[in-house]
Amino acid sequence: GAVVSQHPSWVICKSGTSVKIECRSLDFQATTMFWYRQFPKQSLMLMATSNEGSKATYEQGVEKDKFLINHASLTLSTLTVTSAHPEDSSFYICSAAQTGNTEAFFGQGTRLTVV
Amino acid sequence: LAKTTQPISMDSYEGQEVNITCSHNNIATNDYITWYQQFPSQGPRFIIQGYKTKVTNEVASLFIPADRKSSTLSLPRVSLSDTAVYYCLVGDEGGATNKLIFGTGTLLAVQP
Repeated sequence: GAVVSQHPSWVICKSGTSVKIECRSLDFQATTMFWYRQFPKQSLMLMATSNEGSKATYEQGVEKDKFLINHASLTLSTLTVTSAHPEDSSFYICSAAQTGNTEAFFGQGTRLTVV
Repeated sequence: LAKTTQPISMDSYEGQEVNITCSHNNIATNDYITWYQQFPSQGPRFIIQGYKTKVTNEVASLFIPADRKSSTLSLPRVSLSDTAVYYCLVGDEGGATNKLIFGTGTLLAVQP
C-alpha cells in the first residue's frame, strides 16, 4: 500500500518555541492531507484539513494561528506548532489518501513534548 | 458524517476468535465502512473495508448486514500481538477528500 511518512518521530522543545512536523506521501500525490492530535488514552481528534495550494480548513476549537499548516506541494504538508506550551504536548498524526481511493494512509505519528 | 458506536474494551485469550461490533445507524448511501488498528505511539493501520455483505482478507473478515446500520470485525485466532485499539469509521467514497472522524475505538486485550 501507499506510504505516508512523518518527521520527526519525536521532538522535545522548550516552552515558547515553535516546532515543525512534516508529513510526506512517498509514492503518491495527495491534494488533501489531514492532521490529527491524540492525547494519552484518547481517540484521534481531527485538527485540520490541509489543501494543496490553498488555506487549510480547521476544525472548531483549533487555533489556526497556533497550528500553522502549509501544503506547498502534492507530497508534503507541514504542521507548525507556534509558541508551544506544555499543554500542546501530544501525539500528532497525519493522513493522506489517493484520489479515488477510499483507504486513508496514516503516518507513524510525532510525539511532541514541551518542557 | 455518520457517527459510530463500539464497545470501549474487550478481553480475549490467545487462539480465540474475536468479534467487535460497531453501530452506525445514520450511515449514508455512499459511505464505506473501514476498520483501523492502532498500537500505542503508532499511527492507525488499515485492516479492512467494505460496503455490504461480507469481505475477507488475510487478517480479518468484515460482516455487514443488509441494512448496513452495523458491522462486525472478526479476527480469527487472535494472538498477543493483536492487543490494540480498533476503530470503526464510516465515510464517503473518494478518500482523498474524505475526512475521517474517529470514535472511541475498542481496546482489545489478548491474554495468554
